[in-house]
Amino acid sequence: AQSVTQLGSHVSVSEGALVLLRCNYSSSVPPYLFWYVQYPNQGLQLLLKYTTGATLVKGINGFEAEFKKSETSFHLTKPSAHMSDAAEYFCAVSESDSWGKLQFGAGTQVVVTP
Amino acid sequence: EAQVTQNPRYLITVTGKKLTVTCSQNMNHEYMSWYRQDPGLGLRQIYYSMNVEVTDKGDVPEGYKVSRKEKRNFPLILESPSPNQTSLYFCASSLRGSESNQPQHFGDGTRLSIL
Repeated sequence: AQSVTQLGSHVSVSEGALVLLRCNYSSSVPPYLFWYVQYPNQGLQLLLKYTTGATLVKGINGFEAEFKKSETSFHLTKPSAHMSDAAEYFCAVSESDSWGKLQFGAGTQVVVTP
Repeated sequence: EAQVTQNPRYLITVTGKKLTVTCSQNMNHEYMSWYRQDPGLGLRQIYYSMNVEVTDKGDVPEGYKVSRKEKRNFPLILESPSPNQTSLYFCASSLRGSESNQPQHFGDGTRLSIL
């Protein structure tokens, strides 16, 4: 069975500082991994995904994530936070390339301070 | 414009009064899902559908029904709503993973309050 753990339900970061959101997963097969962002009163928007191949994945809005199989991790980073990055972020895993069944983490709320 | 449309966006109702939340997608996607989002729990899948007339339970199906009679529509039915079903609900759709760069397209959500 697949599961996802996001460390830290709330993260506060200064504008211009590094954003680091942690995600660890468990999966019985090679996983497909995703990060989504949710802005207030909106649905989820895909930031990036890992399927196969290169373990460092670049996404939209300057975000990237690295798949580390040995650590079962898929942490999300952005070198320099912007006020517009304030949102909730969800890590998700799928064990099937159908992607119809995603398992989400509990989410991390990011606050960006001036 | 590619989109997943949910209706209503907001609903306040009372225990036991049957309700339906509609979901429609215009992308000809095979897969459709319903999730509920609760604070501290993230999104949990209620039901999903792999194609017309093919549905399966997700992680939290109790108290919900779905149907998939047409490819574009995937309504969520609460036959006898209870207060513990107060939540934010999302519908999502997708192509088969290998055929898509976007795993799931999400609607804007439906906020249900059951009194």
